[in-house]
Amino acid sequence: EILLTQSPATLSLSPGDRATLSCRASLSVSNSMTWYQQKPGQAPRLLIYDASIRATGIPARFSGSGSGTDFTLTISSLEPEDFAFYYCQHRYDWPPTFGQGTRLEIK
Amino acid sequence: QVQVVESGGGVVQPGRSLRLSCAASGFTFSAYGIHWVRQAPGKGLEWVAVISYDGRTQHYVDSVKGRFTISRDNSKNTLYLQMNSLRAEDTAVYYCVKEGTPYSSSWYDYWGQGTLVTVSS
Repeated sequence: EILLTQSPATLSLSPGDRATLSCRASLSVSNSMTWYQQKPGQAPRLLIYDASIRATGIPARFSGSGSGTDFTLTISSLEPEDFAFYYCQHRYDWPPTFGQGTRLEIK
Repeated sequence: QVQVVESGGGVVQPGRSLRLSCAASGFTFSAYGIHWVRQAPGKGLEWVAVISYDGRTQHYVDSVKGRFTISRDNSKNTLYLQMNSLRAEDTAVYYCVKEGTPYSSSWYDYWGQGTLVTVSS
């Protein structure tokens, strides 16, 4: 099983700041990394797939990068609605595990 | 528009069974793999199981193998999760999740709102 480690666990920033979230895989997953956003009481929402492709309707301030074992989700300028939980997930093999999540909170 | 709606959750005693359903609409159900993902209260996401578009292939997380069975009825646009020998650690919101590309494994583009399963005596 491939383990995904997200860092930091909690990120405290202000609106307008740049956010950088990391996800490290225990083995190479090529570019098969996905990022989801989840707000309290809601289902997760697809943000980025195949490491760097924005899903339909996702604002351009969200970007993904990386390949192999190290991946990054960047939010260029935080909007109030961006404060939420973020999860990475690989789909390289079975099981397609999730990272433990990063909580992005308002400073 | 695409909708996936879960049902069947509730409170069940340890060792008992429960069957979840997921009714899909707004897309060609028979062309997409569908997954179950769960989230324990206050915890992160955990992938549970997947079934291929044609129902021929299933995969499970180790912790539910031999206890849970995923199935689908493409004539009814419905997915199922039969959960047997339930344990306290199975307590979670269970999400039905649609893959983003037809006929191949991919990311998840639509999630249901989830159904809560509570295993408690």
